[in-house]
Amino acid sequence: DIVMTQSPDSLTVSLGERATINCKSSQSVLHSSYNKNYLAWYQQKPGQPPKLLTYWASTRESGVPDRISGSGSGTDFTLTISSLQAEDVAVYYCQQYYSTPLTFGQGTRLEIK
Amino acid sequence: EVQLVESGGGLVKPGRSLRLSCTGSGFTFGDYVMSWFRQAPGKGLEWVGFIRSKAYGGTIEYAASVKGRFTISRDDSKSIAYLQMNSLKTEDTAVYYCTPGAYFFEYWGQGTLVTVSS
Repeated sequence: DIVMTQSPDSLTVSLGERATINCKSSQSVLHSSYNKNYLAWYQQKPGQPPKLLTYWASTRESGVPDRISGSGSGTDFTLTISSLQAEDVAVYYCQQYYSTPLTFGQGTRLEIK
Repeated sequence: EVQLVESGGGLVKPGRSLRLSCTGSGFTFGDYVMSWFRQAPGKGLEWVGFIRSKAYGGTIEYAASVKGRFTISRDDSKSIAYLQMNSLKTEDTAVYYCTPGAYFFEYWGQGTLVTVSS
């Protein structure tokens, strides 16, 4: 199984500042034949299902603000919120879909300072 | 508009069974893999398994934690996916979600809560 490890577990950032969440996979999720990273990021607010933010590591889902971006390749990935807004308070998860079982990171809780 | 509605959750005693349903609309249900996830209270997301479309053999994969106890099936004529849960354990307590797809997941229902407790 591919183990996904996020850091930090929680993060407190001031409004307008940058938030960075890291995700590391125990093995590469880069599919060499397609040159695609099988990695997605989600945002989850209390009482709601997850919301897809990015897929293929860096493709932003329709409707996701451009202050949110994904990057990385192989085993190391980052979700960046360039200018934190109040509505960004949530738990964020990375997920690999390179192989089954599909696995998630443990989540990173993002709060406002 | 894609909609997913999970139902069938509730309170059940350990060792008993429960069947969840997931009704999809707004997309061609039979063309999609249907996946199930769960989230224990205050915990992270866990993949339960998925069932491929008939075009890909309708094959099924499960997480190790549920294999042999849970069964995923589908009725494409009704646009419903099922999760039959047998021999339930307290650690199966969670909100259960269904979603179309096998890679990343754009559409989610609100989930249905399953509580396993004596």
